[in-house]
Amino acid sequence: ETGVTQTPRHLVMGMTNKKSLKCEQHLGHNAMYWYKQSAKKPLELMFVYNFKEQTENNSVPSRFSPECPNSSHLFLHLHTLQPEDSALYLCASRLGTSPTYEQYFGPGTRLTVT
Amino acid sequence: AQSVAQPEDQVNVAEGNPLTVKCTYSVSGNPYLFWYVQYPNRGLQFLLKYITGDNLVKGSYGFEAEFNKSQTSFHLKKPSALVSDSALYFCAVRVFMNRDDKIIFGKGTRLHILP
Repeated sequence: ETGVTQTPRHLVMGMTNKKSLKCEQHLGHNAMYWYKQSAKKPLELMFVYNFKEQTENNSVPSRFSPECPNSSHLFLHLHTLQPEDSALYLCASRLGTSPTYEQYFGPGTRLTVT
Repeated sequence: AQSVAQPEDQVNVAEGNPLTVKCTYSVSGNPYLFWYVQYPNRGLQFLLKYITGDNLVKGSYGFEAEFNKSQTSFHLKKPSALVSDSALYFCAVRVFMNRDDKIIFGKGTRLHILP
């Protein structure tokens, strides 16, 4: 266990549904990340939060909406997704803003959009 | 453009033999380099990093990596492979310039250890 948990682990949703992914870290870290991992493609950074403030949005479509209510929790709200959004969504956290720190990843949520 | 390259999609090694997973990078400024491993149905797990100092870095599970500035490489190595080392390995580079902190991941190399 890395100290980063994600729920649910698997999610199947239709294109008209609204769902949320949850990430929680128990490490006292201040930075949190959402990544998308698709087959045959590099890991894609989606969002970055430092001290609850969003510091990066990598041109992610608005059907993905992040929320970071505190430094321990991160959500990804999903609505009107497309089949190509099916992927493994990984949450990660990091101790601080120093670039020397490594990231700690959760196990991911396997999302299937039908 | 800044980038990280893992030239091999898959590496096959017999159990007990030494293994190498290659990584090269192209970044501006001082690179901070990382290796992560991903086992099936799991997230990425940190293995080791190079920030400064000794070019040979030792990490988890007997892995090590050598930073080579002239060849802009950071290859992952292990003297004797185990079947349990079979997984997906990612090289990553973090660059911090002008208050902009970015991490770039390679596309991953699947390591298959043959019994």
